[in-house]
Parts: sequence; structure tokens; C-alpha cells
Amino acid sequence: NAGVTQTPKFQVLKTGQSMTLQCAQDMNHNSMYWYRQDPGMGLRLIYYSASEGTTDKGEVPNGYNVSRLNKREFSLRLESAAPSQTSVYFCASSARGLGNIQYFGAGTRLSVL
Amino acid sequence: EDQVTQSPEALRLQEGESSSLNCSYTVSGLRGLFWYRQDPGKGPEFLFTLYSAGEEKEKERLKATLTKKESFLHITAPKPEDSATYLCAVQATNSGGSNYKLTFGKGTLLTVNP
Repeated sequence: NAGVTQTPKFQVLKTGQSMTLQCAQDMNHNSMYWYRQDPGMGLRLIYYSASEGTTDKGEVPNGYNVSRLNKREFSLRLESAAPSQTSVYFCASSARGLGNIQYFGAGTRLSVL
Repeated sequence: EDQVTQSPEALRLQEGESSSLNCSYTVSGLRGLFWYRQDPGKGPEFLFTLYSAGEEKEKERLKATLTKKESFLHITAPKPEDSATYLCAVQATNSGGSNYKLTFGKGTLLTVNP
């Protein structure tokens, strides 16, 4: 009953450091998404992958890269972290059809000092 | 550009005091409107999807309704465990291909006092 699993749950980085946020889903979903959530801004789409082998930019892609490793896994990489990237990051997945409901992970809380 | 505005930003109710949350949207063509619940420190949890004006869906003390310009989440006789942030999101018919992007509102923080 795992659904969408994100690792790590918490991370503190120094400016300029790099890291990769991991996301895996066990629901056999085709589409996966990365969002960031900031106070007063709501959830904003960073990147998405409509299907295995494809990725596209969302609303706020600058400073991030993604990899759709296989159907289950979708990672988000910060190459050179900046304080503006301090946020809570959520991964989501959805199936085609069935109302295309997006199911979310528990989030990664990232602080960049 | 798709837009979603939720009001109020925060709402305090006494246990048993019914009320409604509003979600106004602007989208070129609506594929679906989604309601999520988010508890502190957790990811959003799906509640409802509405597809066409006039549609209603219910779950326990919650009922979601949809018009051509807005959606309401009605909370009847709320309990303290209903306290959470409620998020509204729209999916446009022009999302393109097999992608189904959501545009979220900023949410309404609901607090229900015992």
C-alpha cells in the first residue's frame, strides 16, 4: 500500500551543493510530476513526465533537471542549490483515464542555507 | 493562462457550524476540477473530481458542487478532525496530448474548534 514514496523526507544544503530527490510509485501509473509548495504560492509544477521516456517543463523549471529512470521512478536534481529553492517538494503520479487523479507523496522538506 | 482563486484564505468554525469554501476558476476549457485535503506535514489527499456544471459529489460531511465559473465545498456539521487545508485544482482540455497538468489554488485553511 505504498503509493508514491519520496526520499529523503528532510534535507539541508549549503548554497551551491547539489542533490537528487527521489520518487517512486507502485501504482503502474504512466504520468509523474514534481511540484514545489511555498507559503502563499500554492503548488507549482516544476517538471512532468507524461509517459516513460518523456519529460517536459512546467511552470517553474529553472534550476532543476529531471530523469524518468523507468516507469516507476522520477527523480528531480538540483545542480547548484540556491536559497530560493528552499521549499517543500512533492512528487505525484497519475494514470491515463480514471479521471486522471494525481496521487501525491508525503513530500521532501528542503532548506538551502 | 489558467487561474484558480480560493476564498477565504482561512476559516474558523465551531464544531457543528456548517459553511462553504469557494473556488473560482478561469480556464479555456475545463476537463476536470479537483478538490484535495492537505494535513500539516503531509501531501495532498484526493477528495473529489467534478467534470461538468451541475455535478455534485458527497463524502461524509463534505459535498462539492460545480458551476461554469466556480466550485463550492460545503462542510456540514464539521468536526475538529475536518481541520486541514483544502486545495482546489483545475485541469484544462488544452493540456495537450497525454499530459494532464493541474493548476492549483492557494488553498483554504480550515480550523474547526471543539
